[in-house]
Amino acid sequence: GDSVTQMEGPVTLSEEAFLTINCTYTATGYPSLFWYVQYPGEGLQLLLKATKADDKGSNKGFEATYRKETTSFHLEKGSVQVSDSAVYFCALRRGSTLGRLYFGRGTQLTVWP
Amino acid sequence: NAGVTQTPKFQVLKTGQSMTLQCAQDMNHNSMYWYRQDPGMGLRLIYYSASEGTTDKGEVPNGYNVSRLNKREFSLRLESAAPSQTSVYFCASKETGVSNQPQHFGDGTRLSIL
Repeated sequence: GDSVTQMEGPVTLSEEAFLTINCTYTATGYPSLFWYVQYPGEGLQLLLKATKADDKGSNKGFEATYRKETTSFHLEKGSVQVSDSAVYFCALRRGSTLGRLYFGRGTQLTVWP
Repeated sequence: NAGVTQTPKFQVLKTGQSMTLQCAQDMNHNSMYWYRQDPGMGLRLIYYSASEGTTDKGEVPNGYNVSRLNKREFSLRLESAAPSQTSVYFCASKETGVSNQPQHFGDGTRLSIL
């Protein structure tokens, strides 16, 4: 079945460090891929998405490239800030317009000043 | 800009009590979803509704029922709460028919069952 495997946390970085959170997936067909972010006490917010192979999603300095050959969608940011501290979820959705999402377990990121 | 509104935000129940979690969206979305979030487990789909009047089971439906009261509202009911249902519950909605649109999430209901 469809599944998402995400890098286990927690991840702790100093401000301005480089961030990578790994995400790989298993799915039939050509899923869409997403990164969601959850700030403390809040719901999930869409951070970025990619809908086909080689697409790059980007937002707020974060990037992720849809790599079909490695079934990966790793999240990167060149210089993290304290305000990036949150839980990050990788998710996939197959082509159905119904939009069921399959989530990874989440990665807690803490950035220290 | 209300988006998806969940009530209550917090609740403590005793084992065996019943409760309904409410969710309403003002974006005219057809599809709505209920998830639970547990530490180290990510979000798991409990039930979803593709349109008013239809509901379907997700990954973890046991112990729950849902009602799609109208297009705006999608409630989740625990008939006899168990400690294993202690979790954070999220409601989400999405525009159907446009496959690349994201799901929009509420802020969650934190439920503890003693």
